[in-house]
Amino acid sequence: GNSVTQMEGPVTLSEEAFLTINCTYTATGYPSLFWYVQYPGEGLQLLLKATKADDKGSNKGFEATYRKETTSFHLEKGSVQVSDSAVYFCALSPLGGTYKYIFGTGTRLKVLA
Amino acid sequence: DVKVTQSSRYLVKRTGEKVFLECVQDMDHENMFWYRQDPGLGLRLIYFSYDVKMKEKGDIPEGYSVSREKKERFSLILESASTNQTSMYLCASLNSGVRETQYFGPGTRLLVL
Repeated sequence: GNSVTQMEGPVTLSEEAFLTINCTYTATGYPSLFWYVQYPGEGLQLLLKATKADDKGSNKGFEATYRKETTSFHLEKGSVQVSDSAVYFCALSPLGGTYKYIFGTGTRLKVLA
Repeated sequence: DVKVTQSSRYLVKRTGEKVFLECVQDMDHENMFWYRQDPGLGLRLIYFSYDVKMKEKGDIPEGYSVSREKKERFSLILESASTNQTSMYLCASLNSGVRETQYFGPGTRLLVL
């Protein structure tokens, strides 16, 4: 079946450090892949997405590349800020008629000044 | 700007009470979802609806029911609240089509005493 695995947190970084949050998936065909972010006390917001292999999604300095060969969609940012502290969720939308998205368990990021 | 609203941000109920959580979206989306979010478990789908009066069970429907009488409104009902239903509840909506984005409400934090 379809599944998403992301690295466990929490991840604690100093301001301006490089961020990687790993995400791998299992799915048939070519799912769409997403990163959502949840700031404290809020719902989830779409951060970026990619719909086919080798696509790169980017937003607010974050990037992720859809890698079919490694079934991965790792989130990266070159220089994190305190305001990036949040929980990050990797998700996939399976190919086909279902709209039942599959979410990872979330990775909490804490950035220290 | 797209908007998904939830009727309450915080709710405290007693065991055995009937609880209604409401979600409204203004994007004319066909699909709406209810998730619960618990630490370490990520988002788990309770129910979703792909049209008015249509619904499908998600991964954890036990103890919950839903109602969708109008396209813009999707209600989650806890028939008899129990302490293990204390959680964060998130509503989302999604347009039908290829690889669309789910839009989330701010969440309702429910405490059952």
